[in-house]
Amino acid sequence: DAEITQSPRHKITETGRQVTLACHQTWNHNNMFWYRQDLGHGLRLIHYSYGVQDTNKGEVSDGYSVSRSNTEDLPLTLESAASSQTSVYFCASSSFPGLAGSYNEQFFGPGTRLTVL
Amino acid sequence: DQQVKQNSPSLSVQEGRISILNCDYTNSMFDYFLWYKKYPAEGPTFLISISSIKDKNEDGRFTVFLNKSAKHLSLHIVPSQPGDSAVYFCAASGAAGNKLTFGGGTRVLVKP
Repeated sequence: DAEITQSPRHKITETGRQVTLACHQTWNHNNMFWYRQDLGHGLRLIHYSYGVQDTNKGEVSDGYSVSRSNTEDLPLTLESAASSQTSVYFCASSSFPGLAGSYNEQFFGPGTRLTVL
Repeated sequence: DQQVKQNSPSLSVQEGRISILNCDYTNSMFDYFLWYKKYPAEGPTFLISISSIKDKNEDGRFTVFLNKSAKHLSLHIVPSQPGDSAVYFCAASGAAGNKLTFGGGTRVLVKP
């Protein structure tokens, strides 16, 4: 079965370190997204990609970067981790409209809980 | 400035009764609206969606209503079951396949 996976599921790091969170999907979806979830804020979009070599900034992109070298993966990098980046991170993917017969349905991974000390 | 708002952070309802979750938005360019359900330690899962050309969409126990003039949508769960206890997020998009803007979520507790 097609799926979307994230690794690691839990990560503790120190302020100033570079951290990369992995996201891998086997849906063959063109669209991939990274969100962070914080209490009271719901899910906020960090970066997104509509295809290989395409990346775009979301509403909370400062301090984060992504690259898309293939269809399946969209790794999220924290260049220099800060305590404000302690959060739960979700990756999601979706197909272009019409292919799945649904409206913008995004499939989410299980999340990565990141703690920055 | 939050473009999608869920003003009730929590809701408690008796099993078998109706749960009504509300969501307001400010961006008139939003064309599609979705509801996601989230259990602890899991990713959100899609529940139901509605296009701006409709005012109602039903799927089993779940119905979403859209009032475009009021920029308001609601999710009705009838009857509510203990397994419905979760956090519910509404989300909006400007076009199919496009990025989503989420509300802050409503935690629902269904009491047996």
